[in-house]
Amino acid sequence: EDQVTQSPEALRLQEGESSSLNCSYTVSGLRGLFWYRQDPGKGPEFLFTLYSAGEEKEKERLKATLTKKESFLHITAPKPEDSATYLCAVQARGTYKYIFGTGTRLKVLA
Amino acid sequence: NAGVTQTPKFQVLKTGQSMTLQCAQDMNHNSMYWYRQDPGMGLRLIYYSASEGTTDKGEVPNGYNVSRLNKREFSLRLESAAPSQTSVYFCASSESARVEYNEQFFGPGTRLTVL
Repeated sequence: EDQVTQSPEALRLQEGESSSLNCSYTVSGLRGLFWYRQDPGKGPEFLFTLYSAGEEKEKERLKATLTKKESFLHITAPKPEDSATYLCAVQARGTYKYIFGTGTRLKVLA
Repeated sequence: NAGVTQTPKFQVLKTGQSMTLQCAQDMNHNSMYWYRQDPGMGLRLIYYSASEGTTDKGEVPNGYNVSRLNKREFSLRLESAAPSQTSVYFCASSESARVEYNEQFFGPGTRLTVL
């Protein structure tokens, strides 16, 4: 069964304290892995797509990496405005469907 | 460019009432999706429309119907609301469901409470 597990569920960081969020997945043939940011009361905002193991994408303080079993979202020197829930989703080959994880709630303290 | 818009933003229904959630996108996307988001469960696909004129069931379609009115608009209807349908509903769109790599873009959501 295709599955996505994100850890930790919640993470509190001091401003400037770098860390990583994990997305572990099992899927029958990966078409793509997607990272989204979701602010309270808002819809998910697209961040990155990763297609194959070894691929990396960067945007400001965020860097996403992909292996055959998991993806990491590295946050370097985070700021309070990076506080949000970060969602991971996978899409299997031959299907339209995304499978979402339950997210990591990140709080960055000033 | 508004992206994906949804109406209403909030709604309270009584058990057994019906309502339609509206969604529109201005990105000329072919595919549109309806999800629900519940605490601890992640986003789950209710229905999707790969292209104008087609609709298919997702993971949790029971109690819902959809209409792809045209390329821009995709509505979700609850015929007889139940408390189990209390949730946040998101509409999303993508360039195509059949393109090798397709990112989905989400609307702001509708928060529905069924009493």
